[in-house]
Amino acid sequence: AQKVTQAQTEISVVEKEDVTLDCVYETRDTTYYLFWYKQPPSGELVFLIRRNSFDEQNEISGRYSWNFQKSTSSFNFTITASQVVDSAVYFCALSETGRGSQGNLIFGKGTKLSVKP
Amino acid sequence: DTEVTQTPKHLVMGMTNKKSLKCEQHMGHRAMYWYKQKAKKPPELMFVYSYEKLSINESVPSRFSPECPNSSLLNLHLHALQPEDSALYLCASTRQVGDTEAFFGQGTRLTVV
Repeated sequence: AQKVTQAQTEISVVEKEDVTLDCVYETRDTTYYLFWYKQPPSGELVFLIRRNSFDEQNEISGRYSWNFQKSTSSFNFTITASQVVDSAVYFCALSETGRGSQGNLIFGKGTKLSVKP
Repeated sequence: DTEVTQTPKHLVMGMTNKKSLKCEQHMGHRAMYWYKQKAKKPPELMFVYSYEKLSINESVPSRFSPECPNSSLLNLHLHALQPEDSALYLCASTRQVGDTEAFFGQGTRLTVV
């Protein structure tokens, strides 16, 4: 069965601290995509990154970095030098691409990040 | 234009009302999705449309009725809703079903009184 687990329900940090959001997934497919989305209080889901199952290279984009480890089925997200504007709920999601896939996203329960000044 | 536009942003309706949510995209995407998100929960898939045809209905009650009149537009017709249907309704689109880069709208925050 497909499943995404974000064990951290809420995290609170002080501005400029680094913070890592954990994501563990389960899937029987060998081909799949992993995502991170940010949902600020305004409600929209903002796409942050997509990773396919064959690409384990870590990625850095500004203050954001992602660590994909197939051996532990994890796709963790680190924000360096956090800012108040990073406060949001962050969702990790999985999409399978095998036959019959409808491309829909399976979301984790989300981690609410609060960055205090 | 990489936007998915949803209207209205907020909606309050009574249990006997009939209302509709609207979603529009002009990216040429042929797959469109409705998700429902309850407070402090992740989004859950409701419907998938592919080339204007309904391809997935995730056992959604009939008081929710989707419609895809053309490739750019997706509606969700609401009738006789219950207070527990209050949620954020998110629309998303992809180039086609199975394509994984989904673009989401800002959602309609629905309150049923």
